[in-house]
Amino acid sequence: AIQMTQSPSPLSASVGDRVTITCRASQDIRNDLGWYQQRPGKAPKLLIYAASILEGGVPSRFSGSGSGTDFTLTISSLQPEDFATYYCLQDYKYPRTFGQGTKVEIK
Amino acid sequence: EVQLVESGGGLVQPGGSLRLSCTASGFSLNTYWMTWVRQAPGKGLEWVANIKGDGSKISYVDSVEGRFTISRDNAKNSLYLQMNSLSAEDTAVYFCARDKNYCNSPVCYDVFDIWGQGAMVTVSS
Repeated sequence: AIQMTQSPSPLSASVGDRVTITCRASQDIRNDLGWYQQRPGKAPKLLIYAASILEGGVPSRFSGSGSGTDFTLTISSLQPEDFATYYCLQDYKYPRTFGQGTKVEIK
Repeated sequence: EVQLVESGGGLVQPGGSLRLSCTASGFSLNTYWMTWVRQAPGKGLEWVANIKGDGSKISYVDSVEGRFTISRDNAKNSLYLQMNSLSAEDTAVYFCARDKNYCNSPVCYDVFDIWGQGAMVTVSS
């Protein structure tokens, strides 16, 4: 199975900070990657798919980039509601695999 | 309102069986791939299985292959996960998710845009 490794974990930041989360795949996955946000006790929420396409209704402060093995999720100005755990997910091969998650905490 | 609602979770003994259901409302299930994802207590997300809209293609993660069966009844707008030979390692919240499967020829991408609230499965004696 393709291994997805996220960093850092956890991440401490303040409101207004620019935050970058990295996801590295154990092999080339083209741009077959999505990002999901999960708040405690809630279902995950889709943010980005195909590495860089922003899902409708998701604030434009979220952006994604990368291809091959290295990907990033950037939050341009962290808002209070953004403190959550973020997961990358590769959909290049079966079985699909998630990263271990990056918890964004209040500094 | 477009939503998915899981049911059927609960406490089961090791070696036992359980069937989860996921019922859709606000849209027709038949045109969508559907997926099950689980999350053990305090742990990350794990993709479990998926099924094509017409049921013709199915995939599983290795750890459940041969024990779990994903299926669907489009007439009932429902998705199912039959879980047999359960062990403590299967204890988790199980989420169903709709895959709107974005395609930019020739590549298609998984896009899990709608999720259920989750169903807790506890395997314990």
